[in-house]
Amino acid sequence: AQKVTQAQTEISVVEKEDVTLDCVYETRDTTYYLFWYKQPPSGELVFLIRRNSFDEQNEISGRYSWNFQKSTSSFNFTITASQVVDSAVYFCALSEAGLSNDYKLSFGAGTTVTVRA
Amino acid sequence: DGGITQSPKYLFRKEGQNVTLSCEQNLNHDAMYWYRQDPGQGLRLIYYSQIVNDFQKGDIAEGYSVSREKKESFPLTVTSAQKNPTAFYLCASSIARTGPIRGYTFGSGTRLTVV
Repeated sequence: AQKVTQAQTEISVVEKEDVTLDCVYETRDTTYYLFWYKQPPSGELVFLIRRNSFDEQNEISGRYSWNFQKSTSSFNFTITASQVVDSAVYFCALSEAGLSNDYKLSFGAGTTVTVRA
Repeated sequence: DGGITQSPKYLFRKEGQNVTLSCEQNLNHDAMYWYRQDPGQGLRLIYYSQIVNDFQKGDIAEGYSVSREKKESFPLTVTSAQKNPTAFYLCASSIARTGPIRGYTFGSGTRLTVV
Protein backbone atom coordinates (compact mmCIF):
# COMPACT_ATOMS: atom_id res chain seq x y z
CA ALA A 1 0.00 0.00 0.00
CA GLN A 2 1.17 3.49 -0.80
CA LYS A 3 2.39 5.15 2.38
CA VAL A 4 2.47 8.65 0.92
CA THR A 5 -0.06 9.87 -1.59
CA GLN A 6 0.33 13.04 -3.60
CA ALA A 7 -2.89 13.24 -5.53
CA GLN A 8 -1.80 15.99 -7.91
CA THR A 9 0.54 14.82 -10.64
CA GLU A 10 1.01 18.23 -12.27
CA ILE A 11 0.02 21.76 -11.40
CA SER A 12 0.44 24.73 -13.72
CA VAL A 13 -0.01 28.29 -12.48
CA VAL A 14 0.74 31.80 -13.60
CA GLU A 15 3.34 33.74 -11.68
CA LYS A 16 2.09 35.31 -8.43
CA GLU A 17 -0.69 32.77 -8.01
CA ASP A 18 -0.72 30.65 -4.87
CA VAL A 19 -0.36 26.89 -5.24
CA THR A 20 -1.13 24.19 -2.68
CA LEU A 21 0.31 20.71 -2.89
CA ASP A 22 -1.57 17.96 -1.10
CA CYS A 23 0.06 15.12 0.82
CA VAL A 24 -1.70 12.33 2.65
CA TYR A 25 0.28 9.69 4.54
CA GLU A 26 -0.40 6.37 6.17
CA THR A 27 1.43 4.91 9.17
CA ARG A 28 0.77 2.85 12.29
CA ASP A 29 3.71 4.36 14.15
CA THR A 30 3.12 7.00 16.79
CA THR A 31 6.56 8.52 16.20
CA TYR A 32 7.28 9.45 12.62
CA TYR A 33 8.69 12.29 10.56
CA LEU A 34 7.34 14.08 7.52
CA PHE A 35 9.40 15.87 4.91
CA TRP A 36 9.03 18.00 1.82
CA TYR A 37 11.75 18.08 -0.82
CA LYS A 38 12.14 20.10 -4.00
CA GLN A 39 13.77 18.56 -7.07
CA PRO A 40 14.81 21.09 -9.73
CA PRO A 41 15.66 19.91 -13.27
CA SER A 42 19.27 19.27 -12.22
CA GLY A 43 18.03 16.32 -10.17
CA GLU A 44 19.35 16.87 -6.68
CA LEU A 45 16.88 16.89 -3.81
CA VAL A 46 16.61 20.11 -1.86
CA PHE A 47 15.35 19.77 1.71
CA LEU A 48 12.48 22.12 2.56
CA ILE A 49 11.05 21.03 5.90
CA ARG A 50 10.94 18.25 8.47
CA ARG A 51 8.13 17.72 10.97
CA ASN A 52 7.90 15.13 13.72
CA SER A 53 4.58 13.58 14.64
CA PHE A 54 4.36 15.37 17.96
CA ASP A 55 4.63 18.84 16.51
CA GLU A 56 1.46 19.92 14.78
CA GLN A 57 2.29 23.58 14.60
CA ASN A 58 1.97 25.02 11.16
CA GLU A 59 5.10 26.62 9.79
CA ILE A 60 5.85 29.50 7.50
CA SER A 61 9.19 30.14 5.85
CA GLY A 62 9.11 33.09 3.50
CA ARG A 63 6.67 32.26 0.72
CA TYR A 64 6.39 28.65 1.85
CA SER A 65 3.96 27.36 4.45
CA TRP A 66 2.98 23.93 5.69
CA ASN A 67 -0.23 22.67 7.28
CA PHE A 68 0.15 19.49 9.33
CA GLN A 69 -3.10 17.85 10.42
CA LYS A 70 -2.78 14.52 12.22
CA SER A 71 -6.54 14.08 12.33
CA THR A 72 -6.64 13.77 8.54
CA SER A 73 -3.06 12.42 8.11
CA SER A 74 -2.21 15.31 5.86
CA PHE A 75 0.83 17.53 5.46
CA ASN A 76 0.01 20.08 2.78
CA PHE A 77 2.42 22.61 1.31
CA THR A 78 1.53 26.06 -0.03
CA ILE A 79 3.66 28.35 -2.14
CA THR A 80 2.39 31.91 -1.92
CA ALA A 81 2.90 34.34 -4.80
CA SER A 82 4.64 31.73 -6.92
CA GLN A 83 7.68 32.56 -9.03
CA VAL A 84 9.19 30.93 -12.10
CA VAL A 85 12.06 29.64 -9.92
CA ASP A 86 9.52 27.56 -7.99
CA SER A 87 9.08 25.32 -11.04
CA ALA A 88 10.22 21.87 -9.94
CA VAL A 89 9.02 18.49 -8.78
CA TYR A 90 8.00 18.46 -5.12
CA PHE A 91 8.06 15.33 -3.02
CA CYS A 92 6.37 14.61 0.27
CA ALA A 93 8.04 11.86 2.29
CA LEU A 94 7.43 9.87 5.46
CA SER A 95 10.10 8.43 7.73
CA GLU A 96 8.92 5.68 10.05
CA ALA A 97 10.55 2.73 11.79
CA GLY A 98 7.72 0.23 11.39
CA LEU A 99 8.36 -3.37 12.38
CA SER A 100 12.04 -3.29 11.42
CA ASN A 101 12.92 -0.61 13.97
CA ASP A 102 15.01 1.06 11.27
CA TYR A 103 13.83 4.43 10.03
CA LYS A 104 13.36 4.52 6.29
CA LEU A 105 12.12 7.28 4.03
CA SER A 106 9.12 6.60 1.79
CA PHE A 107 8.29 9.08 -0.94
CA GLY A 108 5.14 10.10 -2.68
CA ALA A 109 5.05 10.08 -6.47
CA GLY A 110 5.76 13.79 -6.61
CA THR A 111 3.92 16.82 -7.98
CA THR A 112 5.36 18.71 -10.92
CA VAL A 113 4.80 22.43 -10.50
CA THR A 114 5.15 24.70 -13.51
CA VAL A 115 5.01 28.44 -12.94
CA ARG A 116 4.50 30.45 -16.12
CA ALA A 117 5.66 34.03 -16.42
CA ASP B 1 32.48 20.89 3.16
CA GLY B 2 30.79 17.65 4.17
CA GLY B 3 28.44 15.92 1.82
CA ILE B 4 27.70 12.94 -0.38
CA THR B 5 29.53 12.33 -3.64
CA GLN B 6 27.97 10.14 -6.27
CA SER B 7 29.88 9.11 -9.35
CA PRO B 8 29.65 9.03 -12.23
CA LYS B 9 26.95 11.58 -13.01
CA TYR B 10 26.03 9.75 -16.23
CA LEU B 11 26.57 6.07 -16.92
CA PHE B 12 25.85 3.99 -19.96
CA ARG B 13 25.60 0.25 -19.77
CA LYS B 14 25.29 -2.41 -22.39
CA GLU B 15 22.69 -5.06 -21.85
CA GLY B 16 24.06 -7.98 -19.86
CA GLN B 17 26.74 -5.98 -18.09
CA ASN B 18 27.08 -5.29 -14.40
CA VAL B 19 27.83 -1.72 -13.38
CA THR B 20 28.71 -0.20 -10.02
CA LEU B 21 27.55 3.20 -8.85
CA SER B 22 29.69 4.92 -6.26
CA CYS B 23 28.43 6.71 -3.15
CA GLU B 24 30.85 8.28 -0.66
CA GLN B 25 30.03 10.46 2.35
CA ASN B 26 32.24 12.39 4.73
CA LEU B 27 29.50 13.33 7.17
CA ASN B 28 30.23 10.51 9.62
CA HIS B 29 26.66 9.32 9.10
CA ASP B 30 25.76 5.85 10.27
CA ALA B 31 22.99 5.05 7.82
CA MET B 32 23.11 5.06 4.04
CA TYR B 33 20.41 4.44 1.44
CA TRP B 34 19.98 3.85 -2.27
CA TYR B 35 16.90 5.05 -4.13
CA ARG B 36 15.76 4.63 -7.70
CA GLN B 37 13.67 7.26 -9.45
CA ASP B 38 11.50 6.60 -12.48
CA PRO B 39 9.26 9.24 -14.07
CA GLY B 40 5.94 9.53 -12.25
CA GLN B 41 6.86 7.04 -9.54
CA GLY B 42 8.76 9.05 -7.01
CA LEU B 43 11.76 7.48 -5.31
CA ARG B 44 11.78 3.84 -4.31
CA LEU B 45 14.14 2.30 -1.77
CA ILE B 46 16.54 -0.31 -3.14
CA TYR B 47 18.85 -1.09 -0.20
CA TYR B 48 19.87 0.53 3.04
CA SER B 49 22.57 0.05 5.64
CA GLN B 50 22.52 1.17 9.25
CA ILE B 51 26.03 -0.01 10.22
CA VAL B 52 29.19 -1.27 8.56
CA ASN B 53 29.05 -4.83 7.22
CA ASP B 54 25.27 -4.92 7.45
CA PHE B 55 22.58 -3.98 4.95
CA GLN B 56 18.92 -4.66 4.32
CA LYS B 57 16.73 -4.98 1.25
CA GLY B 58 14.34 -2.21 0.47
CA ASP B 59 11.22 -2.36 -1.66
CA ILE B 60 12.86 -3.13 -5.01
CA ALA B 61 16.13 -4.98 -4.27
CA GLU B 62 15.88 -7.59 -7.03
CA GLY B 63 18.68 -7.24 -9.57
CA TYR B 64 20.82 -5.08 -7.30
CA SER B 65 23.59 -5.73 -4.79
CA VAL B 66 25.44 -3.56 -2.27
CA SER B 67 28.31 -3.68 0.18
CA ARG B 68 29.20 -1.66 3.25
CA GLU B 69 32.82 -2.37 4.08
CA LYS B 70 33.52 1.17 5.25
CA LYS B 71 31.31 3.68 7.01
CA GLU B 72 31.95 6.25 4.29
CA SER B 73 31.12 4.10 1.28
CA PHE B 74 28.00 2.31 0.04
CA PRO B 75 28.43 1.22 -3.60
CA LEU B 76 25.48 -0.13 -5.57
CA THR B 77 25.93 -2.77 -8.28
CA VAL B 78 23.26 -3.03 -10.94
CA THR B 79 23.47 -6.58 -12.17
CA SER B 80 22.40 -8.10 -15.46
CA ALA B 81 19.43 -9.57 -13.59
CA GLN B 82 17.89 -6.11 -13.35
CA LYS B 83 15.63 -6.10 -16.39
CA ASN B 84 14.92 -2.39 -16.59
CA PRO B 85 17.87 -0.55 -15.07
CA THR B 86 17.51 2.74 -16.92
CA ALA B 87 16.70 5.23 -14.16
CA PHE B 88 18.03 7.99 -11.93
CA TYR B 89 19.75 6.69 -8.80
CA LEU B 90 20.08 8.70 -5.62
CA CYS B 91 22.18 7.91 -2.57
CA ALA B 92 21.35 9.31 0.87
CA SER B 93 22.64 9.20 4.41
CA SER B 94 21.41 10.04 7.89
CA ILE B 95 23.04 10.50 11.24
CA ALA B 96 21.55 7.72 13.32
CA ARG B 97 19.39 4.62 13.13
CA THR B 98 17.22 5.87 15.96
CA GLY B 99 15.48 8.38 13.83
CA PRO B 100 16.11 11.03 11.23
CA ILE B 101 16.77 13.62 13.91
CA ARG B 102 18.67 15.83 11.56
CA GLY B 103 17.08 14.61 8.36
CA TYR B 104 18.68 13.03 5.35
CA THR B 105 21.44 14.21 3.03
CA PHE B 106 21.19 13.32 -0.64
CA GLY B 107 23.81 13.04 -3.33
CA SER B 108 23.38 14.64 -6.75
CA GLY B 109 22.50 11.35 -8.41
CA THR B 110 23.67 9.05 -11.20
CA ARG B 111 21.67 8.73 -14.39
CA LEU B 112 22.04 5.20 -15.76
CA THR B 113 21.05 4.39 -19.32
CA VAL B 114 21.09 0.98 -20.95
CA VAL B 115 22.21 1.14 -24.57
